[in-house]
Amino acid sequence: ETGVTQTPRHLVMGMTNKKSLKCEQHLGHNAMYWYKQSAKKPLELMFVYNFKEQTENNSVPSRFSPECPNSSHLFLHLHTLQPEDSALYLCASSQDNSQSAPQHFGDGTRLSIL
Amino acid sequence: QKEVEQDPGPLSVPEGAIVSLNCTYSNSAFQYFMWYRQYSRKGPELLMYTYSSGNKEDGRFTAQVDKSSKYISLFIRDSQPSDSATYLCAMKGGSYIPTFGRGTSLIVHP
Repeated sequence: ETGVTQTPRHLVMGMTNKKSLKCEQHLGHNAMYWYKQSAKKPLELMFVYNFKEQTENNSVPSRFSPECPNSSHLFLHLHTLQPEDSALYLCASSQDNSQSAPQHFGDGTRLSIL
Repeated sequence: QKEVEQDPGPLSVPEGAIVSLNCTYSNSAFQYFMWYRQYSRKGPELLMYTYSSGNKEDGRFTAQVDKSSKYISLFIRDSQPSDSATYLCAMKGGSYIPTFGRGTSLIVHP
């Protein structure tokens, strides 16, 4: 099993659809993150969970709704998205939320909004 | 001024060349410095992780941090076509959340 697994790898959805992205980590980490990666821009942090508790919400629109049922799983629920939401969505995990803990990333879900 | 500056490239070099990738930053609180490699259609992979100033070597890769100049570098010796990827720098200090550069696209041609 790879360290951080994301499904699906690709997703095409209409603006009125509802879908969910899934992330699972097998590293025994306690912190998990959602990032948005758009072309030519730095990674944008969306949400952070530490021991299942949300610790950061980086002013993300409510059409993105995260869920963290346990330290190994993270979901991103999507509804009524906009074309500008098309991007690569990356999940990451780290041992904890200390400064010294590096993040490990999954391969992302490539999301396209029609 | 952006907190982390990184030239997006692309940087094109012949196989066997020594590659130098760089980032500058403005936040003097940064103490942890990372380099990630991202292949097309893949997520970022942690390549090097250093604390404070100095050098760290791992095989063909050397990470260098100069805190006095707020400048970090990643050197790749004997570059290979398989090194072709986007390289992201990231740094942390005062917060557990890293600040990323935009990434530099590297192309190593045979």
